[in-house]
Amino acid sequence: AQSVTQLDSHVSVSEGTPVLLRCNYSSSYSPSLFWYVQHPNKGLQLLLKYTSAATLVKGINGFEAEFKKSETSFHLTKPSAHMSDAAEYFCVVSVSTSGGSYIPTFGRGTSLIVHP
Amino acid sequence: EAGVAQSPRYKIIEKRQSVAFWCNPISGHATLYWYQQILGQGPKLLIQFQNNGVVDDSQLPKDRFSAERLKGVDSTLKIQPAKLEDSAVYLCASGRGLAGGRADTQYFGPGTRLTVL
Repeated sequence: AQSVTQLDSHVSVSEGTPVLLRCNYSSSYSPSLFWYVQHPNKGLQLLLKYTSAATLVKGINGFEAEFKKSETSFHLTKPSAHMSDAAEYFCVVSVSTSGGSYIPTFGRGTSLIVHP
Repeated sequence: EAGVAQSPRYKIIEKRQSVAFWCNPISGHATLYWYQQILGQGPKLLIQFQNNGVVDDSQLPKDRFSAERLKGVDSTLKIQPAKLEDSAVYLCASGRGLAGGRADTQYFGPGTRLTVL
């Protein structure tokens, strides 16, 4: 069965330092992978997605992620954290069904805390 | 374009009562998703529609939850009867549904926060 694991429930960084949010997936085929962000009292929003094109994907607000098939990882990074990046981040994998469609499976989430 | 609309935004009911949530997706979006997000957890997919057909409802507790998407546009999710453990935020999302949904970007509504007392 395909699944996604976010390795850290909380990540704490200082403003201006790099951000690394880790995500590993298990899949029997080349998956589509996504990162979504959920700010307090706001709706979920797509940050970026990988769909078998370039392995390094750039998203909004300076975030990027690299698909590494050999490591089954899709870690999210940002060179310099900003206070406004404080939010909950979800890694998502598209899972195939017997009917040929795809359904999304969310990780448990990583809470990013940014200190001034 | 207008976003995904959900109502109500908040609902408080007592256990064993029934409740219904409504979702209006972005115009032209073929795929519609309902999620349950319990505090501190990631969203759990309850049901996924492609137009007005069900793609997956394997995690929908069918003894108490039901959902429909008439005419392939808006959708309702119902709980009857509610249990304490149903307290959660119920999220609706829609997508264009391209390539069977493999690369679907989901656009989320604001959610409905349900409290069951």
